[in-house]
Amino acid sequence: EPEVTQTPSHQVTQMGQEVILRCVPISNHLYFYWYRQILGQKVEFLVSFYNNEISEKSEIFDDQFSVERPDGSNFTLKIRSTKLEDSAMYFCASRGEETQYFGPGTRLLVL
Amino acid sequence: AQSVTQPDIHITVSEGASLELRCNYSYGATPYLFWYVQSPGQGLQLLLKYFSGDTLVQGIKGFEAEFKRSQSSFNLRKPSVHWSDAAEYFCAVGEKAAGNKLTFGGGTRVLVKP
Repeated sequence: EPEVTQTPSHQVTQMGQEVILRCVPISNHLYFYWYRQILGQKVEFLVSFYNNEISEKSEIFDDQFSVERPDGSNFTLKIRSTKLEDSAMYFCASRGEETQYFGPGTRLLVL
Repeated sequence: AQSVTQPDIHITVSEGASLELRCNYSYGATPYLFWYVQSPGQGLQLLLKYFSGDTLVQGIKGFEAEFKRSQSSFNLRKPSVHWSDAAEYFCAVGEKAAGNKLTFGGGTRVLVKP
């Protein structure tokens, strides 16, 4: 069964550093998403992406964040200058038939 | 704006007993509704979904959920819980719009006693 994959599973970085989180969505899906879950809090929507552009973004998704589909398979989330409060689990999802399928997540720790 | 409330943060249930997890939503029309499960260290796995039609939907692992428009609820049930059902369960509502972002509830953590 096709699934969404994410790399790395864990990332530790220093405050102010750039990180790139990678996702490989399900191959025939057209809509892609990033969500995050700060420890002990709700899963929150960050951004949706369709046809090589952002279709919607939340207030959290400020200028420090960007997304890209650099080739036919990968979908990336870049945080330009990480803050302590960016520490969270980041989930990628892709959508088929109105249903979003999630990857296993990347746990980001900013020190 | 849409919102989802899961009133129970933790539920403890004995193995073999029934389980019901509550979910209430706020949305302007009939939404898309989902239940996801997250086992420790794992991602979010889809249990079931409701878009339209029959208000009782069946999912994987023996779970079912019932959409009640009058109560704005989409409660999840399982008649007989297994130890492997210990996990965190998330209810989510999806917009019927191009972006279709999901709004999640806070989750209910289920503990299963032997």
